Amino acid sequence: GAGVSQSPRYKVAKRGQDVALRCDPISGHVSLFWYQQALGQGPEFLTYFQNEAQLDKSGLPSDRFFAERPEGSVSTLKIQRTQQEDSAVYLCASSFDRGYEQYFGPGTRLTVT
Amino acid sequence: SQQGEEDPQALSIQEGENATMNCSYKTSINNLQWYRQNSGRGLVHLILIRSNEREKHSGRLRVTLDTSKKSSSLLITASRAADTASYFCATDWTNAGKSTFGDGTTLTVKP
Repeated sequence: GAGVSQSPRYKVAKRGQDVALRCDPISGHVSLFWYQQALGQGPEFLTYFQNEAQLDKSGLPSDRFFAERPEGSVSTLKIQRTQQEDSAVYLCASSFDRGYEQYFGPGTRLTVT
Repeated sequence: SQQGEEDPQALSIQEGENATMNCSYKTSINNLQWYRQNSGRGLVHLILIRSNEREKHSGRLRVTLDTSKKSSSLLITASRAADTASYFCATDWTNAGKSTFGDGTTLTVKP
């Protein structure tokens, strides 16, 4: 079946612009995760959904970051007033349920100029 | 930090040799997962091992988990040039299922 998809794959934003990154999880997967990966480092947890409920947003770096999953399927990560330090690859992962294997999408590479 | 840490940071071997990577963590975990990431690509899930398991196999991959030492190892046997990638361990230490990653081991397999 189809894996996790993310769009856009690449996004260039001018500092101060708002961006929205989309994640389509594997159909039927209850859990959805967002991670941020800087160059040469491992992914850092941002936030986690169980169905439509955002159960953990402890990794969001600031209140400029907002994520939603209104119908328990597609999720959007929104970054307001982007800053240069927001430049990174944003990864989405889904799993059948908590504690199961996480399957990652290809990521969105965000560059803030 | 609850972060898993991979060791070594970089490993270079000849095709056909075995590659062993280690992961250490600091607190009790529910499970540990190993991932592969090719340059500029997404993460590919390799193996999940739960805290009550000691060893798992998948093809040329063998993962062990020693909860008393809070460590795990990933063994790739008969390596191929296509195994060249970064390998990450991710620990799930909460009941929420979120994972904490290390910074990875960069494996280079020379043809």
